[in-house]
Amino acid sequence: EVQLVESGGGLVKPGGSLRLSCAASGFAFSSYSMSWVRQAPGKGLEWVSSLSETSIYIFYADSVKGRFTISRDNAKSSLFLQMDSLRAEDTAVYYCARWREDTGTYFLDSWGQGTLVTVSS
Amino acid sequence: SYELTQPLSVSVALGQTASVTCDGNKIGTKNVHWYRQKPGQAPVLVIYRDNKRPTEIPERFSGSRSGNTATLTISRAQVGDEADYYCQVWDRSTGDVTFGGGTKLTVL
Repeated sequence: EVQLVESGGGLVKPGGSLRLSCAASGFAFSSYSMSWVRQAPGKGLEWVSSLSETSIYIFYADSVKGRFTISRDNAKSSLFLQMDSLRAEDTAVYYCARWREDTGTYFLDSWGQGTLVTVSS
Repeated sequence: SYELTQPLSVSVALGQTASVTCDGNKIGTKNVHWYRQKPGQAPVLVIYRDNKRPTEIPERFSGSRSGNTATLTISRAQVGDEADYYCQVWDRSTGDVTFGGGTKLTVL
């Protein structure tokens, strides 16, 4: 069974930093691309970032480009999101998701339960 | 940036068929994926590549795409189908992922 467990969320002041982690199990982590998706309170889903199996390809939403850094450790089956220069509008539940490729398209076929990040003074 | 437009809400009578639409410019050139999110829970993939169902999703769920509109259809709607539904596409040229704004499905 695929399991994705996020951690590292919490309360941080504007301008501060936070590092999210996602522990993966139940599948060959190094064979899959991975993504982060967030959801502000009462709002819809917003894609944040994705990276390929060996981290060769990395993509960011414009809203986080230059502030967030996605990375992975295949030896530890872990995904990370380093978030710097945080703003109030970054407040959201952050989901880790497996980013699956199928016939030339990508979708998110497994999701963690999410970790809440609150940016407030 | 690319945009996907969904109705804010859709209502369906118990046992009837619900349709959730997703509009986007030239959406016919992209594959569309659909997710269901119940309150307080993580999203779940219900349709991928326009009309493919993950094995755990019942046959009542189907997808289609025509012109600038993709549609998620839920047959024989049940109370347990009440949720927010999101469409999603991936842009091959930029690597960007776009979600629709989400549709709240209510079963009456």
